[in-house]
Amino acid sequence: AQRVTQPEKLLSVFKGAPVELKCNYSYSGSPELFWYVQYSRQRLQLLLRHISRESIKGFTADLNKGETSFHLKKPFAQEEDSAMYYCALPNQAGTALIFGKGTTLSVSS
Amino acid sequence: ETGVTQTPRHLVMGMTNKKSLKCEQHLGHNAMYWYKQSAKKPLELMFVYNFKEQTENNSVPSRFSPECPNSSHLFLHLHTLQPEDSALYLCASSHALTTGTQTSYGYTFGSGTRLTVV
Repeated sequence: AQRVTQPEKLLSVFKGAPVELKCNYSYSGSPELFWYVQYSRQRLQLLLRHISRESIKGFTADLNKGETSFHLKKPFAQEEDSAMYYCALPNQAGTALIFGKGTTLSVSS
Repeated sequence: ETGVTQTPRHLVMGMTNKKSLKCEQHLGHNAMYWYKQSAKKPLELMFVYNFKEQTENNSVPSRFSPECPNSSHLFLHLHTLQPEDSALYLCASSHALTTGTQTSYGYTFGSGTRLTVV
């Protein structure tokens, strides 16, 4: 069955340090993968999706089919990156997204 | 407010009450979703509507009853809830492909309704 695993509940880094938020998945076939972000007191919003190969706010994510991973990376963290990050992929029917438990990123100066 | 609007923002109800949550979008999307977000749990898919037709009911108890009168509005009718139903209920919308799959476009979420059952 399809599954999204975000092994870290909390990731704390200092401003300017590199960031890697981990996401592993289980899926039959070639999935589309997404990262969503929720800043404090804001709604959940799309950060990036692998099919567009974008870099949003300095974040990138590469799909590694061999390791079934879609880790989110940023070379230099900023305080405004502090938020909750969710990895997501479609359910097997392709009708909706399923989400990981989320990782809280805390960036301090 | 643009995007996806959910009302009310907060709701406290007794176990014998009947209430409804409302979700509205004017983004031209034709797929809408209800998710439940509880503490320490991932977002749980509840219902999916595609072109006003329910395409998924993720084994949700019958005390939750969805309604989608048109592509812009989605309701979640609540009755005889339990305290464990207390959670943040999120609505989302997206473009729907005619084949019935919607996931390629990503979602726009509402701010959610914080429900407390007492």
